[in-house]
Amino acid sequence: GAVVSQHPSRVICKSGTSVKIECRSLDFQATTMFWYRQFPKQSLMLMATSNEGSKATYEQGVEKDKFLINHASLTLSTLTVTSAHPEDSSFYICSARDLGGPYGYTFGSGTRLTVV
Amino acid sequence: AQTVTQSQPEMSVQEAETVTLSCTYDTSESDYYLFWYKQPPSRQMILVIRQEAYKQQNATENRFSVNFQKAAKSFSLKISDSQLGDAAMYFCAYKAETGANSKLTFGKGITLSVRP
Repeated sequence: GAVVSQHPSRVICKSGTSVKIECRSLDFQATTMFWYRQFPKQSLMLMATSNEGSKATYEQGVEKDKFLINHASLTLSTLTVTSAHPEDSSFYICSARDLGGPYGYTFGSGTRLTVV
Repeated sequence: AQTVTQSQPEMSVQEAETVTLSCTYDTSESDYYLFWYKQPPSRQMILVIRQEAYKQQNATENRFSVNFQKAAKSFSLKISDSQLGDAAMYFCAYKAETGANSKLTFGKGITLSVRP
């Protein structure tokens, strides 16, 4: 089945630095990827929709300049958290739509970001 | 705007018993998809089952089945012969049929525990 690989699984960074999270579709082409944020015991909150070759569409309230999304190829989307603050600490998950498969949406394994 | 409601934050079931998780949604669309996702402690999102709104027959996947009531906008998940590995958060999700890249809308989730 469709596989989405997300790296790193865990990252700790210092306040004020930037951290990049990668999301790759391994066996299919993903023209669209989705980035979510999840707090403990809560639901997934959509941050942005990433489209290959064009600008990402951000959800209301999500800072575009803080959460930079790049979708330069059909198999790779990246989320860069810039000038990280402790309140950015969270679990980030990507998802891709496999248009050729029966199940639709495939999720990465997530990245736990801790900003110290 | 579409909304998905999971009103029960937690449920518990005895191993080998049956449990039903509730979900209601609101939409003005006639064609859409509904999903149940499982998120175990590893936090990997796993598709449990999906239902196309145009299909009258309820979807089933081994021990998992749904009760889809389109007129009532209800989409409950029944887990039969519950196993310890079923313990997880379960999310109900909705996707409109229109727009190949339309996003998933998630409910708040329910934490299911399984008693041995």
